[in-house]
Amino acid sequence: GAGVSQTPSNKVTEKGKYVELRCDPISGHTALYWYRQSLGQGPEFLIYFQGTGAADDSGLPNDRFFAVRPEGSVSTLKIQRTERGDSAVYLCASSLAARSYEQFFGPGTRLTVL
Amino acid sequence: DAKTTQPNSMESNEEEPVHLPCNHSTISGTDYIHWYRQLPSQGPEYVIHGLTSNVNNRMASLAIAEDRKSSTLILHRATLRDAAVYYCILKETGAGSYQLTFGKGTKLSVIP
Repeated sequence: GAGVSQTPSNKVTEKGKYVELRCDPISGHTALYWYRQSLGQGPEFLIYFQGTGAADDSGLPNDRFFAVRPEGSVSTLKIQRTERGDSAVYLCASSLAARSYEQFFGPGTRLTVL
Repeated sequence: DAKTTQPNSMESNEEEPVHLPCNHSTISGTDYIHWYRQLPSQGPEYVIHGLTSNVNNRMASLAIAEDRKSSTLILHRATLRDAAVYYCILKETGAGSYQLTFGKGTKLSVIP
């Protein structure tokens, strides 16, 4: 079946611009997670949704980052006033429920801020 | 989540068994041991998890020390497709235990 998909696969933007990254989770998965992975590092947790609500956004680095999941399915990660330090691969994952043992990851969006 | 320690890199010959170690000396009684791997240019994928007993699935085996302070992921016959970064992760079973905390993992190279 279809896995987690993320669009775009690559995004190049200029410092100061606004970007949106999209995640389509596996159908029926109620839990959705965003992670960020810098070069040579493991993924870092950003935010977790259970249904439509952000249950934990403690990993968001600052208020330039925001994410939504209005209908409990697709999620969008929004970054305002991008900085060069935001360059990374942004990964989305979903799981059947919050405490499911397996998270299914998408291929990621590589964001480059010039 | 408690911290894990893994070697930065390991090498294996193709079709040989591979033992990937992980130390987690501060593990708590409610922490599960999870392993994920990340192939080049892909997102991580689940491999296996366990609590106390050794576990087997179609991908790998997980051997857990009796005191639970270390574990070993075993790939029985390495293939070129197994070249990836392997992450050992401790995950609590209690409330709020949904996120995965990744370290740097072990980069496994498989030599043809």
